[in-house]
Amino acid sequence: DVKVTQSSRYLVKRTGEKVFLECVQDMDHENMFWYRQDPGLGLRLIYFSYDVKMKEKGDIPEGYSVSREKKERFSLILESASTNQTSMYLCASSFYFLDRDTEAFFGQGTRLTVV
Amino acid sequence: AQRVTQPEKLLSVFKGAPVELKCNYSYSGSPELFWYVQYSRQRLQLLLRHISRESIKGFTADLNKGETSFHLKKPFAQEEDSAMYYCALIEYGNKLVFGAGTILRVKS
Repeated sequence: DVKVTQSSRYLVKRTGEKVFLECVQDMDHENMFWYRQDPGLGLRLIYFSYDVKMKEKGDIPEGYSVSREKKERFSLILESASTNQTSMYLCASSFYFLDRDTEAFFGQGTRLTVV
Repeated sequence: AQRVTQPEKLLSVFKGAPVELKCNYSYSGSPELFWYVQYSRQRLQLLLRHISRESIKGFTADLNKGETSFHLKKPFAQEEDSAMYYCALIEYGNKLVFGAGTILRVKS
């Protein structure tokens, strides 16, 4: 079974805090993604990575950064959390799309509340 | 600009009725499209992809390049089909983008 594991199910942080969301996958996937999921807006891509130390901006990268030091781990960083970053965050991984099976596997989500 | 458009936020049908969840896309290359589903309290998961042309849980979706659509269809809805459905598109090699999603409610 493919496993994509997010480090926390629920987080409550204060405005201005630096927040780290961690994601680990165990299928040797090249691609990893961070999305936020908001009612009426669907899944919006924040950042993705197709290789170690490689990252690409998604559609809403402002206020976020990412780190991929190892193939299996992709971290999302909120440099200074704000209330408008309260959301459900989803991590996903897949093989490199052009090479192989293109199914993306998702983590269970992290519900982040910024107060 | 929205590349994947799902015009309905909520679709409510009776059990046994046909279902069509709409998806339109905007992409200049050769599109690779998917439907993902999220059941209550479960992870988002792949339902089907256009290249495999398969039927999963009775659902089918045909890519219509002329209308730039990839609508999801099922002839007879079941209560267990109630879920959030997302249409998704691969852009430029590795960028996977999603639509806003449609909640399907199947009433008994």
